[in-house]
Amino acid sequence: EAGVAQSPRYKIIEKRQSVAFWCNPISGHATLYWYQQILGQGPKLLIQFQNNGVVDDSQLPKDRFSAERLKGVDSTLKIQPAKLEDSAVYLCASSPDRTEAFFGQGTRLTVV
Amino acid sequence: AQSVTQLGSHVSVSEGALVLLRCNYSSSVPPYLFWYVQYPNQGLQLLLKYTSAATLVKGINDFEAEFKKSETSFHLTKPSAHMSDAAEYFCAVSDSGNTPLVFGKGTRLSVIA
Repeated sequence: EAGVAQSPRYKIIEKRQSVAFWCNPISGHATLYWYQQILGQGPKLLIQFQNNGVVDDSQLPKDRFSAERLKGVDSTLKIQPAKLEDSAVYLCASSPDRTEAFFGQGTRLTVV
Repeated sequence: AQSVTQLGSHVSVSEGALVLLRCNYSSSVPPYLFWYVQYPNQGLQLLLKYTSAATLVKGINDFEAEFKKSETSFHLTKPSAHMSDAAEYFCAVSDSGNTPLVFGKGTRLSVIA
């Protein structure tokens, strides 16, 4: 079974630029999560989708972050404009039943 | 609201020694509890999970954890550490599967030859 795919693996941008991350979850998994992991900390939920609907985006900085999950499969997370404090690993995870999450390898973002 | 506290940001053990990583949780409802491992530049891999069945949970690579409601703890153990166990370990809690995972800050395990 193929795992959660994320791209790109690494991205370096200047502050105030925009960036987008892509996630392809495990086939058949209805729930998709985006987490932000700042160096030295545990992952923090940004947004949770159930199929193509948003379940929880209470911790998403909506003035600069946006996410969508078209057709209930792939998802993109965008940051515009980026700030230095957005430097982190962005993890995508999917779940068949919301009791266990399967994680991708993550995208490491560096904002300079 | 749920939360997880991992005691010790860094634990160092000798190869062959017992591994003990501590996790305490806070939850207003019976929790689902998880341990994940993260190797450098990798995503998180599930080691084991507790979902209200047996209180002693066995996971991959000889790891196990015991759910103790009276102590609100879910400590991770392994009888004999291997060099390959060196990684970051995260404890996480979920509200019976209806809410996303809330993670602790992680414990970095070093194994000394």
